[in-house]
Amino acid sequence: GAVVSQHPSRVICKSGTSVKIECRSLDFQATTMFWYRQFPKQSLMLMATSNEGSKATYEQGVEKDKFLINHASLTLSTLTVTSAHPEDSSFYICSAQRQVNTEAFFGQGTRLTVV
Amino acid sequence: QKEVEQDPGPLSVPEGAIVSLNCTYSNSAFQYFMWYRQYSRKGPELLMYTYSSGNKEDGRFTAQVDKSSKYISLFIRDSQPSDSATYLCAMNDYMDTGRRALTFGSGTRLQVQP
Repeated sequence: GAVVSQHPSRVICKSGTSVKIECRSLDFQATTMFWYRQFPKQSLMLMATSNEGSKATYEQGVEKDKFLINHASLTLSTLTVTSAHPEDSSFYICSAQRQVNTEAFFGQGTRLTVV
Repeated sequence: QKEVEQDPGPLSVPEGAIVSLNCTYSNSAFQYFMWYRQYSRKGPELLMYTYSSGNKEDGRFTAQVDKSSKYISLFIRDSQPSDSATYLCAMNDYMDTGRRALTFGSGTRLQVQP
């Protein structure tokens, strides 16, 4: 079964508003979670690494003030898209690794549409 | 040159065929290898996880890693229409603490025709 849960699965928002996406590890603690963005028919693009209790590490070209990441607990990371614009419309996915030297699991993804 | 190369396809096969999906990589430090299946508008689902070189089998799926050639493969036997999806290879050099993100291939789109 799913070990990483992401919510919501779909969201439509108006341009200029903010949207929060949650990523939860269901049966394990994750000190690190990852946020990806995926455009249609393209692979996953790493946006940032979310670290519990500290600042996120953003990949080059990703605006940290636009994509706010908060990893407030060992089981929850949130991604907030601030002042969303239509070009922010995309599929956002989180992932986490359950234990040392084990595979990474992904959330179900969130399809964001900004109108 | 990308760190991980994967043919995007689409790869179309008849039902029951053996499917071979492949990735090549350039970073010799990679030692953890994964294959994910992703259906449209869904998150990737882990299929196989292997460490270092060798083969691993799970049902209809077999993963092979050849570190000397920097080449990994996923074989699907008796392919079914439900196997139609995008298959992503992923790898990492260090999984110890879970603090490093995976490096992904671009994904191969597979279509199994009934």
